[in-house]
Amino acid sequence: TQLLEQSPQFLSIQEGENLTVYCNSSSVFSSLQWYRQEPGEGPVLLVTVVTGGEVKKLKRLTFQFGDARKDSSLHITAAQPGDTGLYLCDRGGSNYKLTFGKGTLLTVNP
Amino acid sequence: GAGVSQSPSNKVTEKGKDVELRCDPISGHTALYWYRQSLGQGLEFLIYFQGNSAPDKSGLPSDRFSAERTGGSVSTLTIQRTQQEDSAVYLCASSRGQVQETQYFGPGTRLLVL
Repeated sequence: TQLLEQSPQFLSIQEGENLTVYCNSSSVFSSLQWYRQEPGEGPVLLVTVVTGGEVKKLKRLTFQFGDARKDSSLHITAAQPGDTGLYLCDRGGSNYKLTFGKGTLLTVNP
Repeated sequence: GAGVSQSPSNKVTEKGKDVELRCDPISGHTALYWYRQSLGQGLEFLIYFQGNSAPDKSGLPSDRFSAERTGGSVSTLTIQRTQQEDSAVYLCASSRGQVQETQYFGPGTRLLVL
C-alpha cells in the first residue's frame, strides 16, 4: 500500500490553463513537501507545509495542507510549458528517508 | 558546478555484470543518500550516510547492492550480478546533515540491464 497517493497520475493541458493535483493519505503528517522533477534531472524541493490549513504561494503555484494534515493540493494558475515535469509529494517530518508518492506527470503544451 | 554530480549519466550493461555508480555530493554536506526511481515503484530510499556513523542500509533491495562513502565525500553504489529488474534511474542526494535539512539531488544515472 502506497503511503501517499497522488492524482491524477498523468495530466496534459494547454498553456494558460489552470490545474490542481492532489496528494492524499490516511495518515497524519507533521509536514508535507512538494518537489518538481524535470526530465533528466533530480527532484527539486518547491515547498514545505507544516500547519493544518496552511496555504503557501510560489509565483503561480499555490500549495495547501489539509486541515487534518492528511492531504495536500497544488494548484497552478495559467500553466506554462516550463511547468512541465513530475510533481512529487513527500511526507516530510523527522525521518531523513524521503517517502514519495508516485507523482503526477504534467505536460503543458504550447 | 556547486551541485550534486553523478556519473555515468547513462549505463547499459548485460545481465550478470557488475556496475559502479558514482556520486559527488555538494562540498561540505555531511549527509548523502541514494534513491532508486523506477516506473512501477516510484522513488525508493536505498541507503543513507551521515558523517562517520554506520550507514542506514535498510532500503537496499538485496545483498547484490552495496555502497561506500570514502573520506566523507564521494560515494559509490555497486550492483553485483545485475538483473533486468535493476533497470532504473539511480539518484544521489546530499544535505547539510541535520534531520529535515533540504536534500539536493543529482541528475541521476540511468541504468539499463539487457
